[in-house]
Amino acid sequence: NAGVTQTPKFQVLKTGQSMTLQCAQDMNHNSMYWYRQDPGMGLRLIYYSASEGTTDKGEVPNGYNVSRLNKREFSLRLESAAPSQTSVYFCATIQGSGTEAFFGQGTRLTVV
Amino acid sequence: DQQVKQNSPSLSVQEGRISILNCDYTNSMFDYFLWYKKYPAEGPTFLISISSIKDKNEDGRFTVFLNKSAKHLSLHIVPSQPGDSAVYFCAASVLASYDKVIFGPGTSLSVIP
Repeated sequence: NAGVTQTPKFQVLKTGQSMTLQCAQDMNHNSMYWYRQDPGMGLRLIYYSASEGTTDKGEVPNGYNVSRLNKREFSLRLESAAPSQTSVYFCATIQGSGTEAFFGQGTRLTVV
Repeated sequence: DQQVKQNSPSLSVQEGRISILNCDYTNSMFDYFLWYKKYPAEGPTFLISISSIKDKNEDGRFTVFLNKSAKHLSLHIVPSQPGDSAVYFCAASVLASYDKVIFGPGTSLSVIP
C-alpha cells in the first residue's frame, strides 16, 4: 500500500522548459492537493481538487496548471518554468474536510 | 501577512526533557488545527489535531493546547527523544472548507542525546 506516490523525485529544468509532476494515490480519497514548500514560508497551496472532475486555485496558482485525470491521479504542469518556481512540491490527499492530509515524498525542482 | 506563525525557526532540547513548540494564528475563522512532522527528504506526516471546541488533546507523549482567546496553540512533547528531531508544521483550517488550510513556516526541533 504505497499511499501517495509522486514522480519524479528530483528534476532540473532550464528556464522556459515545461514539465508535468505526477501524483497518484491508492487511498480512495476524494480530495487531492498540490503544495510548494519554500524556506521560511511553510507549505503554500497551489491547486486543489475537492473531487474527481473539479479543480480550484489555491494561494499561489500563477504559472501552474493541473489535471485531475481520475480519482487516483492529480498532475501539476509547469508550462514555462521560471527560477521562482524552484521549490519542493508536495502532493497530498485527504478523506474529507476536518481530517488529516497524507503527503507524498515530494519533488525537488530546480529551475536554472 | 502570514495567518499562521511559528516564531521560533529552531529549538534544541535535551533528551528526556520537554519540548514546547508554539504557533500563533490571526484568522478567527480557523476552527481546526493540526501539527505535522517532517523528516528530511520525506513528506510531512500527521501528528495530532485539535478542534476549536477543545482546549487540549493528548496522544501519548504529544499534547496540543489551544488558547482561542490568545489565538495561540502549542505542542508539548514529553519526554523528548532523539527520533523527535524533525521540522514541525502547525496548520490551521476552516472545517468544511477544502482550501482553507494554512501552514506555518515550521520549527526545526533538535533533541540532543
